[in-house]
Amino acid sequence: QSALTQPRSVSGSPGQSVTFSCTGTSSDVGGYNYVSWYQQHPGKAPQLMIYDVTKRPSGVPNRFSGSKSGSTASLTISGLQAEDEADYYCCSFTGTDIWVFGGGTKLTVL
Amino acid sequence: EVQLVESGGGLVQPGGSLRLSCSDSGFTFSGYWVHWVRQSPGKGLVWVSIISGDGTVTRYADSVKGRFSISRDNAKNTLYLQMNSLRVEDSAVYYCVRDASMHMDVWGKGTTVTVSS
Repeated sequence: QSALTQPRSVSGSPGQSVTFSCTGTSSDVGGYNYVSWYQQHPGKAPQLMIYDVTKRPSGVPNRFSGSKSGSTASLTISGLQAEDEADYYCCSFTGTDIWVFGGGTKLTVL
Repeated sequence: EVQLVESGGGLVQPGGSLRLSCSDSGFTFSGYWVHWVRQSPGKGLVWVSIISGDGTVTRYADSVKGRFSISRDNAKNTLYLQMNSLRVEDSAVYYCVRDASMHMDVWGKGTTVTVSS
């Protein structure tokens, strides 16, 4: 149950696009299309942003999109806004009802 | 409004026990699998455990297996996490999270557990 690998920090200017990576193995990210992404502002509970690799829950802006290639999943935010500054975590199903998170990426909006 | 509310956190000495509870409102509790996820101060999210809607299936992270036990009472719409043999590294905010078919869609606000002498 090793954590998925995420870069510790990413930054971008308002209006730009940023992409977060989430690298796992064939036993988790590469083996299932059950990757989800969560946004967490300081002192708040996480919020679901993307599920099943590419799907957006209702209420999440279409500026947020997800994808996957092999054992690496990605979250892209286009048209970056100040309120997007937060921590972002990926999560993957690993089989037999076990789950694993990434270490999280801190997004700074410059 | 769909929500989950955790309780039971507090300060406990190493080796001690604590039972967390999570109550729901706004949805059919028994129809959902539910996770516990924790976050140590300044650290990332860590998956802890999951239980099926009927309580017959339970799974645990290796780090808590044999020490933590997840259960639920659907008649009371309540989920539990019994934590035994607590360690300093178990100190964290513990979140109760609804599973909506392979993703976590509703999060509680969390309850804080501090393990310290």
